[in-house]
Amino acid sequence: GAVVSQHPSWVICKSGTSVKIECRSLDFQATTMFWYRQFPKQSLMLMATSNEGSKATYEQGVEKDKFLINHASLTLSTLTVTSAHPEDSSFYICSAEGIRTDTQYFGPGTRLTVL
Amino acid sequence: SQQGEEDPQALSIQEGENATMNCSYKTSINNLQWYRQNSGRGLVHLILIRSNEREKHSGRLRVTLDTSKKSSSLLITASRAADTASYFCATGGSGGYNKLIFGAGTRLAVHP
Repeated sequence: GAVVSQHPSWVICKSGTSVKIECRSLDFQATTMFWYRQFPKQSLMLMATSNEGSKATYEQGVEKDKFLINHASLTLSTLTVTSAHPEDSSFYICSAEGIRTDTQYFGPGTRLTVL
Repeated sequence: SQQGEEDPQALSIQEGENATMNCSYKTSINNLQWYRQNSGRGLVHLILIRSNEREKHSGRLRVTLDTSKKSSSLLITASRAADTASYFCATGGSGGYNKLIFGAGTRLAVHP
């Protein structure tokens, strides 16, 4: 149980294009999902917290117009990197927190490469 | 911003030896969690310890928490080559949803 999937697992795109990453909780309902980014050999940095049916809460320094988050259902959150640039290349990981639990379950990550 | 600091940053041991990783944090917490990450992969949840707990075991894992020193340790006993990974501690806040703040991580290499 408690499986979180991400799609796609990797994506390569041209500078200026937008990329959408999906995060799904497969066997549980997640009222809250989190989006992180991770640069090589570094730790995870929380980008934003997404609650079902409401606007996401972004961490300081994260551009909300660049990283659009939608949490339309209890099993799906999406992160759209708009007008991607090479510096947006990173490993993006989502996590989902079930109802009445403190444990976050992480997706396998999406590696974004912007050329 | 990152809250936790972990040491050592890297640890290299032989199979069968024990591995100890430490984590320090700065603010009050509701819980502290340890995760493992294999290279280029997602995170696997290992263990959660709440602020009112001092020690917790799970298989070959032992986690301690000292809230007075704002520190935690993860002990892996009888290590195996398959334990090679990065290990992160993450602190959960005391208000609202459980926003996790990750430490810098320890890269563990276990040699056969």
